[in-house]
Amino acid sequence: KAGVTQTPRYLIKTRGQQVTLSCSPISGHRSVSWYQQTPGQGLQFLFEYFSETQRNKGNFPGRFSGRQFSNSRSEMNVSTLELGDSALYLCASRSDRGQFDTEAFFGQGTRLTVV
Amino acid sequence: DQQVKQNSPSLSVQEGRISILNCDYTNSMFDYFLWYKKYPAEGPTFLISISSIKDKNEDGRFTVFLNKSAKHLSLHIVPSQPGDSAVYFCAASGQRANSKLTFGKGITLSVRP
Repeated sequence: KAGVTQTPRYLIKTRGQQVTLSCSPISGHRSVSWYQQTPGQGLQFLFEYFSETQRNKGNFPGRFSGRQFSNSRSEMNVSTLELGDSALYLCASRSDRGQFDTEAFFGQGTRLTVV
Repeated sequence: DQQVKQNSPSLSVQEGRISILNCDYTNSMFDYFLWYKKYPAEGPTFLISISSIKDKNEDGRFTVFLNKSAKHLSLHIVPSQPGDSAVYFCAASGQRANSKLTFGKGITLSVRP
């Protein structure tokens, strides 16, 4: 079974631009979550999608948005980029049971640098 | 509001000895706990989990202990190996079917040869 795939792996953008990151979950997984990792802050939850619906949301500004397609692939968009948005963005998928007691499998992440 | 806390940012142990990584949580609704390991430039990989109905779960060199009354869990690695050097994240989720995973800030483990 293929793992979670995130594209691109690396990205450099300028302040004020917008960016779209992509995530393909493990086949059969319907839950996709996004996290931001910055030094000293651990993994901060952005949002979770399940069957094309956002069912959990973290405390990030509205500049951060996402969506999920019918094939469970997900995209995350950040508009009006700020220097502080520079981070590793991680996508994780969970099984199609969608229950609380299942582990999440992570992709390798997209390293976003805003200059 | 940090609901999952890993208060020690780093730990250094000698190869062959025991590594004990601690994690505390504040939300009494958390019912499922997980440990992840992360190498630089890679995504976290799942290590071991424990449900609140248990107080111990073992998988090879890795054992997780849960003390619900103290809202505390720990990961024991015995014996520690240099390849275990990584960042370890503790995570928790609640019992609702759509519960998200909440992560701590991580502990950097260094295992000295």
